[in-house]
Amino acid sequence: GNSVTQMEGPVTLSEEAFLTINCTYTATGYPSLFWYVQYPGEGLQLLLKATKADDKGSNKGFEATYRKETTSFHLEKGSVQVSDSAVYFCALSGGSARQLTFGSGTQLTVLP
Amino acid sequence: DVKVTQSSRYLVKRTGEKVFLECVQDMDHENMFWYRQDPGLGLRLIYFSYDVKMKEKGDIPEGYSVSREKKERFSLILESASTNQTSMYLCATYRGDMNTEAFFGQGTRLTVV
Repeated sequence: GNSVTQMEGPVTLSEEAFLTINCTYTATGYPSLFWYVQYPGEGLQLLLKATKADDKGSNKGFEATYRKETTSFHLEKGSVQVSDSAVYFCALSGGSARQLTFGSGTQLTVLP
Repeated sequence: DVKVTQSSRYLVKRTGEKVFLECVQDMDHENMFWYRQDPGLGLRLIYFSYDVKMKEKGDIPEGYSVSREKKERFSLILESASTNQTSMYLCATYRGDMNTEAFFGQGTRLTVV
């Protein structure tokens, strides 16, 4: 079946630092890949997505590239802000299953 | 604005009680899901539904059931609550295409004592 392995947290950074959160996946077929973000006290919301190999998703300064050869979808941001403090989930859909499969989540804390 | 509304933000129930968690969406989406979220485990799928009166088991259905009598409403039922069901429960919905965005409710924090 499908699975997502995500870099374990928590991650603590200073404001304006560079962020990378690693995500690798296992799936049959050609899944779509997502990053969702959960701010404190809220549900998840879509941050970005990529639906085919070599696609780059981007939003709010975050980027991730769908790498089929390494089965990865790492999340990056060049300069984090305090307001980016949240839990980040990597997810995939399609392939052998008709539902979203999530990673374990990474708690990011950005200090001023 | 799209909306997925869960009936309660916080619930405290006693062991052995029957518990109902309600989710309502206003987007006319076919697909609805119930997940539980636990630290270090991410989101795990309990049940999902592709249409009215249809349901399928997810990865951890034991101790739960669901009901979908109307397209907009998807209920999660804990038949006899136990302390190991203390968790955050999230409802989600999306349109037919799995490449599109899923929308989540704000979650229900359930504590079973």
